[in-house]
Amino acid sequence: SQQGEEDPQALSIQEGENATMNCSYKTSINNLQWYRQNSGRGLVHLILIRSNEREKHSGRLRVTLDTSKKSSSLLITASRAADTASYFCATAGSGNTGKLIFGQGTTLQVKP
Amino acid sequence: AAGVIQSPRHLIKEKRETATLKCYPIPRHDTVYWYQQGPGQDPQFLISFYEKMQSDKGSIPDRFSAQQFSDYHSELNMSSLELGDSALYFCASCLRGNNSPLHFGNGTRLTVT
Repeated sequence: SQQGEEDPQALSIQEGENATMNCSYKTSINNLQWYRQNSGRGLVHLILIRSNEREKHSGRLRVTLDTSKKSSSLLITASRAADTASYFCATAGSGNTGKLIFGQGTTLQVKP
Repeated sequence: AAGVIQSPRHLIKEKRETATLKCYPIPRHDTVYWYQQGPGQDPQFLISFYEKMQSDKGSIPDRFSAQQFSDYHSELNMSSLELGDSALYFCASCLRGNNSPLHFGNGTRLTVT
């Protein structure tokens, strides 16, 4: 990966449980974003957290950012079978091109 | 709402052939990005354009080139195709500015045989 590691690489849970995915990155960032990808489809933007923010919520999603550890976590609460997908973190560097560097992704399976 | 349109959806080519992938960004978006995603891999940044000028370059092979046209659509041209070029190719667009999320198309699946 150009960016860093995501942990775990694969996660299997039951519907209703919470899912936590972690992401580490290597460089200084402007913001960190999480994307979801269904198999063979495009990436869908979920949530963006700026480098000066520590936590952000959007519906059942909660994202944290620790710039001192260069890490982020995505929590999906009360998971549903429809949440089954791959989840990627991506960082935007301090330059102004808006280019995103993606982590390796976590494959989440939510069993009904 | 209009999304990013990519064509073709699937493309099969033989080694050493050429391929052209097209991307139509969301209207009024001024920045286009191209990514390559191999099987089970994360998307790798190839190249980006802002206002029809190349703005950033990543791990794009010399055999590939891209441009953005006056109507803001972009094309990725790939020559001397190799088996390893088989991948999903995504285009994304945004309205440039700090903290702008990228909007991705559904990709072109290129298979080189």
